[in-house]
Amino acid sequence: GAVVSQHPSWVICKSGTSVKIECRSLDFQATTMFWYRQFPKQSLMLMATSNEGSKATYEQGVEKDKFLINHASLTLSTLTVTSAHPEDSSFYICSARDSISEQYFGPGTRLTVT
Amino acid sequence: AQSVSQHNHHVILSEAASLELGCNYSYGGTVNLFWYVQYPGQHLQLLLKYFSGDPLVKGIKGFEAEFIKSKFSFNLRKPSVQWSDTAEYFCAVTYGNNRLAFGKGNQVVVIP
Repeated sequence: GAVVSQHPSWVICKSGTSVKIECRSLDFQATTMFWYRQFPKQSLMLMATSNEGSKATYEQGVEKDKFLINHASLTLSTLTVTSAHPEDSSFYICSARDSISEQYFGPGTRLTVT
Repeated sequence: AQSVSQHNHHVILSEAASLELGCNYSYGGTVNLFWYVQYPGQHLQLLLKYFSGDPLVKGIKGFEAEFIKSKFSFNLRKPSVQWSDTAEYFCAVTYGNNRLAFGKGNQVVVIP
């Protein structure tokens, strides 16, 4: 089946620094990728939809200047958490959609901001 | 926006018992429906999906789900669970441009 990878799997950074998370579709091309955030014991919350070659569409309440998304190719999308704060600590998950509208999920990235 | 409700967040049952997890959604238009499973320490995996056709959908590992349009429901079932079914189960529904809305999940623990 389709495989989506994320890198890094976990990261610890200091408050005020920026962190980049990569999401790759390994064996298919994904015109659309999605970024989610998952808090402990809660559901996945969609942050933004990333379309290759165009600007990302952010969900209501998500700061686009804080969570920068780039979808430079059909197999790679990146999420950069800028000027991270402890409240940004979370589990970030990406998914990639294939041509038949099924989303395949990455393993997630655990971000801890100290 | 779409909302998805899953009840009974924590479910504990013994092996061989039957499992049913409820899922209700709010969107009145055409929807695609999914159940995902997240085993401990692993990423989300698709259990089954409904796009159209037969409302009774068979998935992997003996799971099935029934789409009842009049009730806005897509309940997941398995007649006889195993210890390896211990996981978190998420119902998800597409809305607006194929975005997915997730329920809060059901934490299922199967006791050997």
